[in-house]
This record gives sequence, structure tokens and C-alpha cells, in this order.
Amino acid sequence: QVQLVESGGGVVQPGGSLRLSCEASGFIFSDYAMHWVRQAPGKGLEWVAGISFTGNSKYYADSVKARVTLSRDNSKNTMYLQMNSLRTDDTAVYYCARGEWWGDFDYWGQGTLVTVSS
Amino acid sequence: QSALTQPASVSASPGQSITISCTGTSSDVGYYSYVSWYRQHPGKAPKPIIFYVNRRPSGVSDRFSGSKSGNTASLTISGLQAEDEADYYCISYTRSNTLLFGGGTKLTVL
Repeated sequence: QVQLVESGGGVVQPGGSLRLSCEASGFIFSDYAMHWVRQAPGKGLEWVAGISFTGNSKYYADSVKARVTLSRDNSKNTMYLQMNSLRTDDTAVYYCARGEWWGDFDYWGQGTLVTVSS
Repeated sequence: QSALTQPASVSASPGQSITISCTGTSSDVGYYSYVSWYRQHPGKAPKPIIFYVNRRPSGVSDRFSGSKSGNTASLTISGLQAEDEADYYCISYTRSNTLLFGGGTKLTVL
């Protein structure tokens, strides 16, 4: 069955960096676009970034564009989100989701919590 | 970009129907049919209930339906059940090649 497992979350100080990973199984990873969606405590969902099935195209929300880099390694069935210059408002649960270029997220992981705090 | 506009909350009794609106602009909801809807129970990951404005993913009840008119998409849930009590989110692809969620709607089943 399709599984998406996020990892890499934790507590980091403002200005710090983290790399999140999303390991996929149960499907042909290289056939699908992948996305990151986050949810701050008690708040709604926010799309963060998406990457095409080849990894050649990436797109980012304005709120993170200058500070994050999305990548994938299809040989390892894994997507990565490198986050730099972290701010307190980046505190959230980060979900990875399988989908299409235009959305339609059909499977989601359980999320990994990122806490930015001094 | 501002989030798509959804009502903060709706409520109804079991067996009734409700509709949740999702209003964007001519650069997102009004331009594409790439609108999807998700349901999220507390502490859980979101689950898809509608793709491409009005298509149900496999396994989703036909009590859920979607539509769009102009810059507003809508989700209708008929025959409300206790398990439908959750947060509901719409999302649309945009002409800026980004994706934009609605602010979310809390559905209370009375």
C-alpha cells in the first residue's frame, strides 16, 4: 500500500536550518509529482512547495521561496525540503503529499513537526 | 497571495445537507478546474474528498459532491453523519504556478 513517511523535524533556533525528508513506498515514486503542505498549530493548511515527477520543475509559495529548496532522489524514493533562515512562523507540522502538478493530493504522510524557537 | 475564502464554520443536523463555498479570483478558481477538497479530523492528516472540481477519489462516498461557478467552488455534503464533523479545505492551482488553500471550514454536526 502507498506510504509516505516524513522525518527530519525537530526544534531549531530562529535563523537555523533543517532538512525534511519524505520516503515513499508502495508505488512508482518517479511517476508522481510530490508536494509539501504545512499546518501551524491551530491554523489551516498552507501549500509550501511542489516538484515534478522528474524533479526538473519546482515551485514554491511566496512565503518560503527565498529560503527553501525542494529536491528528490527517485533512486531512493525520497523527496527533500531544505529549509534555511527559519523563522518562528515556520513552526508547523509539515506533511508530504503525492499528487499531480496541479494538486489533487491523493495520499498524505502523517507529518513531522518543526518548531522554531529560541 | 491571500488564501481562498471559506466560511469559518457551518453546522447542521444529521441527515441534512450543507454546502461550503470557496471563493477565489479569476487567476485561480475562476481560471482553472483544478480545485480539490480535503477533510481533516483533529490530529489527523487531511484526506481527499473531491478532485478536479467534482470528481470523487476512489472510495469516497457519493454523499460528497463538488461544483464551480465563476470564481467560486462549492462542496456539498448530503445526508450528514456524525463522522462528517471535521475541518474542510479547498485548494486551487493558480496562474502563478502555485497552489492556494482556503482558510478552512469547521463543520459541526449538531
